[in-house]
Amino acid sequence: ETGVTQTPRHLVMGMTNKKSLKCEQHLGHNAMYWYKQSAKKPLELMFVYNFKEQTENNSVPSRFSPECPNSSHLFLHLHTLQPEDSALYLCASSTRLAGVVDTQYFGPGTRLTVL
Amino acid sequence: AQKVTQAQTEISVVEKEDVTLDCVYETRDTTYYLFWYKQPPSGELVFLIRRNSFDEQNEISGRYSWNFQKSTSSFNFTITASQVVDSAVYFCALSEAGGATNKLIFGTGTLLAVQP
Repeated sequence: ETGVTQTPRHLVMGMTNKKSLKCEQHLGHNAMYWYKQSAKKPLELMFVYNFKEQTENNSVPSRFSPECPNSSHLFLHLHTLQPEDSALYLCASSTRLAGVVDTQYFGPGTRLTVL
Repeated sequence: AQKVTQAQTEISVVEKEDVTLDCVYETRDTTYYLFWYKQPPSGELVFLIRRNSFDEQNEISGRYSWNFQKSTSSFNFTITASQVVDSAVYFCALSEAGGATNKLIFGTGTLLAVQP
């Protein structure tokens, strides 16, 4: 595997379900990100992890719970979602050095539909 | 505050036409980075270019070229001799250096449709 991978690619869940999205990066990066892309809206940054530590939570509802066990893996745990949470969830990774903005590389995304 | 504006929501061209995608940004920082990404129907954002605020040289990569003008806060993207495979949504993004996170602010994207 190369680059950034995400599983599953498509997910349909009910409002009472619990599911998890998985992201894995094979680029040797130390920062990972979750973004949400809804129709007709700009990409929204949700969470940022640097060296496994969460450094940004962009006022995301608690029904989204991220987990970063190591610098290569990132999860997004979902529970009691709402239909408006239906969107494309994108994972990205980059290197992270103080004062330097490095390029973020994105995975293919998980298309989530909440019924 | 940071902001990226892509005023063109959709553009339709015929193959082999040249097309320019506009991007205007706002930032108070003197050090910042600008990016372009391509999102084909498959969904993945594909990185195209990264440019820092101190480098105003225009860049050309094959059929792609970028025009960075600090005076007008613009970072426009031109595709020469467009092809059907160029059909995608294109995003311009901005990031300020020195922040605690590598935060990207995206524009709303321009959907480019290249007709055969």
